[in-house]
Amino acid sequence: DIVMTQSPDSLAVSLGERATISCKSSQSVFYSSNAKDYLAWYQQRPGHPPKLLIHWASMREPGVPDRFSGSGSGTDFTLTITTLQAEDVAVYYCQQYSSSRPTFGQGTKVELK
Amino acid sequence: EVQMVESGGALVQPGGSLRLSCATSGFTFRKYTMDWVRQAPGKGLEWVSYISGDGTSIEYADSVKGRFTISRDNAENSLFLEMNSLRAEDTAVYYCARVKTVPIGSFDFWGQGTLVTVSS
Repeated sequence: DIVMTQSPDSLAVSLGERATISCKSSQSVFYSSNAKDYLAWYQQRPGHPPKLLIHWASMREPGVPDRFSGSGSGTDFTLTITTLQAEDVAVYYCQQYSSSRPTFGQGTKVELK
Repeated sequence: EVQMVESGGALVQPGGSLRLSCATSGFTFRKYTMDWVRQAPGKGLEWVSYISGDGTSIEYADSVKGRFTISRDNAENSLFLEMNSLRAEDTAVYYCARVKTVPIGSFDFWGQGTLVTVSS
């Protein structure tokens, strides 16, 4: 199985500041046949199920604020939250779906400083 | 509006069995691959199993293979997870999740989850 590793495990950010989360996969999740990276980002607020923010590494889901952005390709990916809002306090997970056995990163907890 | 509601979670003894259900509405259920994903208390997300829209393609995580069985009823728009030989480490909130694109993709809709507790 592909191992997904996120860093850091937790992050304290002031309101209005930037949060950056890294995600690395143990093997490439890029498919040259369609030039897509099979990588998603989810937000999970306490007591709620995960919510899909970004898929294909950089495509925001409808309704997701544009302060959330995804970048990267191959094995190295980044989720950036510009101008952090109070409602962004949550755990964020990356996930690869390039294989029939999807795997998640361990999660990054974003808190207010 | 897409809705997915899990049920069937309970407290069960080690070695016991349980059947989870996920009732769906608001989309053409038979067209979508569906998955089960679980989350142990205070822990991260772990994929459990998937089943294709027509039910012909199925896969399991190694941790549940041989003990869990995924199935679906497209006439009833429902997804199931039969869980046998339950262990303490199966304790988790179990979510059903819809796969966004065919044949594989991210999970664009999730249920609220149902809690399974395995303890004597």
